[in-house]
Amino acid sequence: GDSVTQMEGPVTLSEEAFLTINCTYTATGYPSLFWYVQYPGEGLQLLLKATKADDKGSNKGFEATYRKETTSFHLEKGSVQVSDSAVYFCALKTSRDDKIIFGKGTRLHILP
Amino acid sequence: ETGVTQSPTHLIKTRGQQVTLRCSSQSGHNTVSWYQQALGQGPQFIFQYYREEENGRGNFPPRFSGLQFPNYSSELNVNALELDDSALYLCASSLDRGRGETQYFGPGTRLLVL
Repeated sequence: GDSVTQMEGPVTLSEEAFLTINCTYTATGYPSLFWYVQYPGEGLQLLLKATKADDKGSNKGFEATYRKETTSFHLEKGSVQVSDSAVYFCALKTSRDDKIIFGKGTRLHILP
Repeated sequence: ETGVTQSPTHLIKTRGQQVTLRCSSQSGHNTVSWYQQALGQGPQFIFQYYREEENGRGNFPPRFSGLQFPNYSSELNVNALELDDSALYLCASSLDRGRGETQYFGPGTRLLVL
């Protein structure tokens, strides 16, 4: 079945470090891909999305490119801030139905 | 424009009881989806409502049921609560159905079953 696999956390970085969180997916057809972020005690917020191959989603300095050939959607940021500390979820939505399938989440800690 | 709201924010129930959680969708959105997020896990899809009809269901037993009202707000009902039902319940609304539609999430209701 359809699934998302993302790197396990926690990931701990110093402020201004480069961030990569790996995400790969398995899906039939052509899914849409998403990154959601969950700050402590809050619900999910959409960070960025891409709906077709080679699309790049970007927001708040974060980027991810939809790579069909490697079935990947890795999240990157050039210089992280303490305020980026949160749990990040990679997710997909297929054309077959409307449910979002989430990865298990990656907890990110940024040290000042 | 108000976002997705959910009530209550927290709830404590005992095993065997029933619970109703509520969700108000974002203005203009006709589709509501419900997810269960266990501690330390990603959200799992429960079901979706589109224009007051169920439009897809995840791998949850029938004691999880829902409703969508003409104003597109929604309820999630859980009967015969079990300890494993303790989780954060998230509601998400979208402008319409479809693969490219973004789902906007509410803050969630945290349910504890004792």
